[in-house]
Amino acid sequence: RKEVEQDPGPFNVPEGATVAFNCTYSNSASQSFFWYRQDCRKEPKLLMSVYSSGNEDGRFTAQLNRASQYISLLIRDSKLSDSATYLCVVNVNYGGATNKLIFGTGTLLAVQP
Amino acid sequence: DGGITQSPKYLFRKEGQNVTLSCEQNLNHDAMYWYRQDPGQGLRLIYYSQIVNDFQKGDIAEGYSVSREKKESFPLTVTSAQKNPTAFYLCASSSRVPLGNEQFFGPGTRLTVL
Repeated sequence: RKEVEQDPGPFNVPEGATVAFNCTYSNSASQSFFWYRQDCRKEPKLLMSVYSSGNEDGRFTAQLNRASQYISLLIRDSKLSDSATYLCVVNVNYGGATNKLIFGTGTLLAVQP
Repeated sequence: DGGITQSPKYLFRKEGQNVTLSCEQNLNHDAMYWYRQDPGQGLRLIYYSQIVNDFQKGDIAEGYSVSREKKESFPLTVTSAQKNPTAFYLCASSSRVPLGNEQFFGPGTRLTVL
């Protein structure tokens, strides 16, 4: 089983729609969680950090369920510019001071006019 | 402007050649990382460094080498021992130690072996 799993998509949605992405992680020792956005042939850019049960930033809401080892990202009122790949990223502690970020393979979102 | 720069943007290499990818940051970050990204796969950690003159192997270090002589710089050498070097290489940095907090990425280098 992969340490971080995401539905690869693509999610094709019309402008203005609400879309949700899910992500599951396997290591219960995971301490912090992030969503990154990656445009085609570009570097990942930090979208949101998720340190508690969840947080909101404008049209974006991230939620964390530690019991189910599940993270979600909700995008409201989708814009054409939201089209990108969304990476779920989990910080895992391997003992002592050794932490590592584990990246999911990403979910592709295509917002249609 | 603060940020992370990588050069070159595109790099072509013949088989059997070593190449060095540059990564520089002016964010005053302590930790720096190298990842590679292949189509359909998540980013995989090659090497990381938490402090000057110290670095650790990541998950796929074979065929790669690094140095960290300055806080701002973390170059990656792809050696001829790397069997499948064609990939998108990403450098990242973060401000906090230990590892695991937000990382910020440079624009990447696309390496193609001819």
